Amino acid sequence: AQSVAQPEDQVNVAEGNPLTVKCTYSVSGNPYLFWYVQYPNRGLQFLLKYITGDNLVKGSYGFEAEFNKSQTSFHLKKPSALVSDSALYFCAVRDGGSSNTGKLIFGQGTTLQVKP
Amino acid sequence: KAGVTQTPRYLIKTRGQQVTLSCSPISGHRSVSWYQQTPGQGLQFLFEYFSETQRNKGNFPGRFSGRQFSNSRSEMNVSTLELGDSALYLCASSSGAGGYSYEQYFGPGTRLTVT
Repeated sequence: AQSVAQPEDQVNVAEGNPLTVKCTYSVSGNPYLFWYVQYPNRGLQFLLKYITGDNLVKGSYGFEAEFNKSQTSFHLKKPSALVSDSALYFCAVRDGGSSNTGKLIFGQGTTLQVKP
Repeated sequence: KAGVTQTPRYLIKTRGQQVTLSCSPISGHRSVSWYQQTPGQGLQFLFEYFSETQRNKGNFPGRFSGRQFSNSRSEMNVSTLELGDSALYLCASSSGAGGYSYEQYFGPGTRLTVT
């Protein structure tokens, strides 16, 4: 069965420092991976996705993610964190067990706290 | 383009009642999915619709149902509400018929509180 793990409930980083939010996955076929961000009382906002191609994917707001097939990881990164990046981040994988479906399986989420 | 809209944004219901939530996808999007978000269970998939057909269903009891109209708007219904149904219900739309490689765009959600 497909699954996603975000091993850290919370990540704390100082403004201006690089940040990493970790995600590992388990799928039966090719992974289709996504990162979303959620601000308080809001829905999820799409940041980036990996479908195929380059292992380094660039997304919105300066975020990028590195796909590593051997480690089954898809970590979210940003070179310089902003206080406004503080939010809840979700990693998700498309359910490859069901063909032709957009169903997403989400990790439990990681709270990113950026301190001034 | 306008984003995904959900109505109502907030809802308070009593146990045993039923509720209907509405979702209007981004113009041109034909796929609509619903998710339930709770602090304990996180984000869980409810169902997905494409061209008025349910394409996939999550592990929820039959009290949870949905449908999609010809204009791609979708509704979900929860009958005989239980306290545990209190959650943020998120709707997401996607442009791709295949679904798998296309990102989903989420609405702001409907916050349902069951008392």
